[in-house]
Order: sequence, then structure tokens, then C-alpha cells
Amino acid sequence: DAMVIQNPRYQVTQFGKPVTLSCSQTLNHNVMYWYQQKSSQAPKLLFHYYDKDFNNEADTPDNFQSRRPNTSFCFLDIRSPGLGDAAMYLCATSTTLGQSYEQYFGPGTRLTVT
Amino acid sequence: GQNIDQPTEMTATEGAIVQINCTYQTSGFNGLFWYQQHAGEAPTFLSYNVLDGLEEKGRFSSFLSRSKGYSYLLLKELQMKDSASYLCAVEDSNYQLIWGAGTKLIIKP
Repeated sequence: DAMVIQNPRYQVTQFGKPVTLSCSQTLNHNVMYWYQQKSSQAPKLLFHYYDKDFNNEADTPDNFQSRRPNTSFCFLDIRSPGLGDAAMYLCATSTTLGQSYEQYFGPGTRLTVT
Repeated sequence: GQNIDQPTEMTATEGAIVQINCTYQTSGFNGLFWYQQHAGEAPTFLSYNVLDGLEEKGRFSSFLSRSKGYSYLLLKELQMKDSASYLCAVEDSNYQLIWGAGTKLIIKP
């Protein structure tokens, strides 16, 4: 089945220790998104890519970086995680070729910072 | 600014009907989405409205009034598995989703 895959599902890192979260998709969608979601809050958009065109949200901290080496893969790098970065990180995809821009989500990576 | 409002929490009884409201103020409008999110899981797509009126999909229906900046999600014949958060999201003029914080729906037997 075509899908959005995120690895790992659970990640524990130490305060200040860099961590990378990965996302892959088999939907061949041209748009990919990274969201941060904290408990009982709306998903917060960090970055999105239209194809290789990178878009950084204005309020995304510099501590967060992203890479999209090809259509299928996207990475979220947190250079120096703080306790406030503990959250669920959601990867999503969509296509601009259809009639709607429905987003398909991966299962998420829950990040714990110790 | 851009704003999506929906109730924080609602409670309903198994087998009953519940309506979850969403009001929005956004810069432009290209459609409204409803997503379901079970605790600790990713959101899953439920419905999309871009024209005024009611869209029905099985037990779930979604209504939109663009002039009022208003939508609702109607869930019929509630089942225990419907206990989840329901997120309203509006696509703005830049085709970005503006998300509400979600309505936590608690179903009681």
C-alpha cells in the first residue's frame, strides 16, 4: 500500500544532542511537510517542500533544519534539542495535481528529551 | 490574524448524534478539512468542503457556510471507536493549512 513512513516511532535524545527524524513516502507526492504537535494543540507547520523548493515558516527556530534529497525522502534535523522540543513530529505529503490538497500523514515520531 | 475556533471538549453517548462546530477567519479560503486524530496517532482525513452545503460520507457529514466562516462535522450513530480529537483546518490563499486545536470527543456507553 502506498503510504507515508516515519522512523523511528519513538526517539529519546539528550538535551543538546543532535537528532535526525526521517520520513519516506511511496505516494509520489510533490509536497512534503514537517509538523510539530504538542499535547492538545494544533499541529504547527515547521517546513514544507514543493518539489525541491524549500519553505521555512517564519517562526520555525533556527535549531530546526530540514533536507529533502529526493522526492521520496525528507529529514528533520534538530541541532540542539531542548526540553521544549519534546513533541510529536508529523510528516505529511500532498499533491498539487489533484482536485484537493488533502494531506496524508505518517504515524509520527514521538520525541523525548532528557 | 488567522484563527480557527472549535470547542475544546465534547461528550456524547454511544448511538447518539453529535455536532462539532468550527469557525474560522483566514486570509483567503481554498477549502476546509476535517481530520480525526486518535490519542498518540497521526491525523487521518475525514472530509473536505470547498462549496457551501453538506457533504455526506457514511456516518459522517460536514457542512460549510463560507459567508459565515462556519463549518460543522456531524457524527451519527456514535460508536466507542469515535472517541478521538477532531481537527478543523482551513486552506488559505497560499494553500497552507491553518489548523484548529481540535475538539476532544468523549463517547460514553
